[in-house]
This record gives sequence, structure tokens and C-alpha cells, in this order.
Amino acid sequence: AQKVTQAQTEISVVEKEDVTLDCVYETRDTTYYLFWYKQPPSGELVFLIRRNSFDEQNEISGRYSWNFQKSTSSFNFTITASQVVDSAVYFCALSDVYSGGGADGLTFGKGTHLIIQP
Amino acid sequence: NAGVTQTPKFQVLKTGQSMTLQCAQDMNHNSMYWYRQDPGMGLRLIYYSASEGTTDKGEVPNGYNVSRLNKREFSLRLESAAPSQTSVYFCASMSPGLQPQHFGDGTRLSIL
Repeated sequence: AQKVTQAQTEISVVEKEDVTLDCVYETRDTTYYLFWYKQPPSGELVFLIRRNSFDEQNEISGRYSWNFQKSTSSFNFTITASQVVDSAVYFCALSDVYSGGGADGLTFGKGTHLIIQP
Repeated sequence: NAGVTQTPKFQVLKTGQSMTLQCAQDMNHNSMYWYRQDPGMGLRLIYYSASEGTTDKGEVPNGYNVSRLNKREFSLRLESAAPSQTSVYFCASMSPGLQPQHFGDGTRLSIL
């Protein structure tokens, strides 16, 4: 069975600090997708990134960056120079490649509540 | 360009009442999903539909039924609501292979 662990339940930092959200996953599949979603206080789920298990290159998008390490089954998310608008719950998720989730859908972690204080 | 539309957005039920949550997508996606989100938890899969006419149970299917009415619509029914089903329900759709799942804005359901 697949499993995603986000050990940090809540993180609070002061604006402009860098912050890293941890994600560790378990899967028996050799090919899979990893995702990050953001859930702001308004409640909707916003897709941030998808990473294929074949591609271990790190990715940067503006102030966001992702570090995928297959050897440690981790897919960590860093926000550089955090802003108050980054305050949200962030979810890491996992799915297999061929069915896009199949009967299991996406397997989500429990989320990390990120609080950015002004 | 609506994406995934869920109705209603909020609902309060009494224990034992029945209700159907509606979900429709306009992206021509084959796969559709229903999840529930409880405080301090991630989303958990209730039911899944790979295509029109097919449905499969997810992690937490007890107390729910689903109908894939056509390619666009996937409904979730609570036949006899229980307080344990108080949750936020999300519908999602996806075209297998390349796309992430697209989520609706959620239905906040309270059962008294």
C-alpha cells in the first residue's frame, strides 16, 4: 500500500524566512507521480507541481523549489523569502503512473499547516 | 472555463436524512473521484470512476453510494447520514497519464 508522511503538523515562521516542508513516501511501484497541493484558508485545492519518479531533477518556480530524492523517498518543498500569502495547508500526494491513481486515487499526506507571521 | 463544479457548497442535515452531492466537469476527463477531508487529515478517497458506467471503492466507501451518470457527472449519495460523515467533500477529475487531478471547491457537510 502507498503511504505519504508529512511529519510537520504545523510550522510558523516570520515573513521573509525560508521554510522547508518535508514529505516522505512509501510505494511498491517503480514508476509513480508525486504532487504538492496548496489549500489556502478559502479551502480550495491548488495544484503546485507534479514530479515523475523517473525525473530526479530539482525544480524551481519563482520562490518555490522542490527537492526529489528517490534514494531517501523524499520530495521536499522549500519556500524562499516567505510571504504572508503563503500561509496555507500544504499537501504532498502520491499516485501510480499508468492509471493516474487507479482504484487508489491519490494518496495524500495529512498536510502541513504553514503560518507566515508578518 | 468552469473546470470541476460541485453543488451544493454547504449543507446541514439531520441524522438519518439522505442527500446527493453533485459533481460535474467540463474538461472531457475520463476519471472522476470523490474524497473526504477531515480536520487534521489529508484527503481520503471514497469512490473512483475510471469511465462512464464504472465505479470502484476507495479507502473509505462505507455509508456512501455513487453514480457515474455520464462522462461529465459523478454524484455521491448518503442514504442515511450519520454525524461521522460530517466533513468537507471534494470531487476531482483527471485524464489518465499526463494531467494532475483537478479539484472542485468542495462541499462542506454538517450532520447533526
